[in-house]
Amino acid sequence: KAGVTQTPRYLIKTRGQQVTLSCSPISGHRSVSWYQQTPGQGLQFLFEYFSETQRNKGNFPGRFSGRQFSNSRSEMNVSTLELGDSALYLCASSGQAGSEAFFGQGTRLTVV
Amino acid sequence: GNSVTQMEGPVTLSEEAFLTINCTYTATGYPSLFWYVQYPGEGLQLLLKATKADDKGSNKGFEATYRKETTSFHLEKGSVQVSDSAVYFCALRRSSASKIIFGSGTRLSIRP
Repeated sequence: KAGVTQTPRYLIKTRGQQVTLSCSPISGHRSVSWYQQTPGQGLQFLFEYFSETQRNKGNFPGRFSGRQFSNSRSEMNVSTLELGDSALYLCASSGQAGSEAFFGQGTRLTVV
Repeated sequence: GNSVTQMEGPVTLSEEAFLTINCTYTATGYPSLFWYVQYPGEGLQLLLKATKADDKGSNKGFEATYRKETTSFHLEKGSVQVSDSAVYFCALRRSSASKIIFGSGTRLSIRP
C-alpha cells in the first residue's frame, strides 16, 4: 500500500508570490490534515479536510487555504508569501477522525 | 486547553545506554497518546501509541505507558543504538478530533 505522497519535496519562492502544495493520501483514507513545522513554533495544525469539506481549522491567517478533491487528494495554497512562511509543511491522512494518522515526507518551502 | 510538554533536548547518550524522554499532557476527557519520530529530512513516523489509561504502547524496543494519574506518557528504551538518533515528538489527540497536538520535540543523539 502506497504511503502519503507530498509534492513537490522542495520549493523556493519569492515574497509576495503564492504557492500550491499537493498531498495524496493513502488509498481509502478520506481525512487529510496539514501541519506547519518551524524551528520556533514547532508543529502546528493548519486544517483538516474530510470528504471534500473543511472540518477543522487552526489559528492561521486567511492567506492559508486548502481544498480536497473527490479522490481525497488535497492541496494547500499560501498567498502573498512572507519570509515567516518558510517551513516544512506536512500532510497526514487518516481513515477516520481520531484514528491513526500517517504522515508524508513533507514539502520544504523556502521564501526569499 | 489541551497541551503536551516534553523534556528539552538535546539528549546525548552512548550506545547501549538507557533512554527516558519525559512527556506530560493536559487534556479534557481521555485522549489518545502518541510518540512520533522524525529522522533527518523526513516526515513523521508513528513510533507507538496508547488509547486508554494503563495501556502500554511498544515498538522497536521503545515503550511508553499511559498514566492517567500523573498525566504522563514517558518514552523508554533499554538499550539505544546509533540508528535511534532522531527527533522524538510526544502528541495527543482527542478521540473524536482530527487535530493532533504535539510537544516541542526532543532531539536525541547516540554516540557509538
